[in-house]
Amino acid sequence: GQQVMQIPQYQHVQEGEDFTTYCNSSTTLSNIQWYKQRPGGHPVFLIQLVKSGEVKKQKRLTFQFGEAKKNSSLHITATQTTDVGTYFCAGPWSNSGYALNFGKGTSLLVTP
Amino acid sequence: DAGITQSPRHKVTETGTPVTLRCHQTENHRYMYWYRQDPGHGLRLIHYSYGVKDTDKGEVSDGYSVSRSKTEDFLLTLESATSSQTSVYFCAISPREWEKLFFGSGTQLSVL
Repeated sequence: GQQVMQIPQYQHVQEGEDFTTYCNSSTTLSNIQWYKQRPGGHPVFLIQLVKSGEVKKQKRLTFQFGEAKKNSSLHITATQTTDVGTYFCAGPWSNSGYALNFGKGTSLLVTP
Repeated sequence: DAGITQSPRHKVTETGTPVTLRCHQTENHRYMYWYRQDPGHGLRLIHYSYGVKDTDKGEVSDGYSVSRSKTEDFLLTLESATSSQTSVYFCAISPREWEKLFFGSGTQLSVL
């Protein structure tokens, strides 16, 4: 089974509120990636984190990689309706060979 | 978007029939992947390829086979489709192991 837990599974916010999704692994990761999938669309790469404690920002999105490289978070400040979609974390879990395995995702709904 | 095409985009078939899905890329990327996406399960890896004729199993490989005779094409075959294989299938490519993935638009497969 999957070795990563992503929480929450769903989140419904009012436009302008903040949003955070968390990804927790039972094993240390060499890197972690985040993807966004709009309803009816395909996953699109957002960012890759490699270093322990790394923090990266993309406009209103802030990504963090834990000090132990076992967890990560994605925080969106002041959500907009364009943020609607499912956010996935992905990583090279120990049993995946050359492939990435994905968390189950967090579905974000933003109400105007 | 990366040059990656999945065909067909939609398919309805009957239980017990063979089905082949095609993924074609024009990026000359070494790595190619097949994932399936189901509600509540996120993206699960079926098979992947790390070169021509080099493939490996993923988390949910039972009932599926793959072939890669050319760099640009990665075929996924359901030898005898079952209703549990009704899903959205995504192909993805990557230039190097564990680097960001570029996804195709997906194939919606319904097995009746």
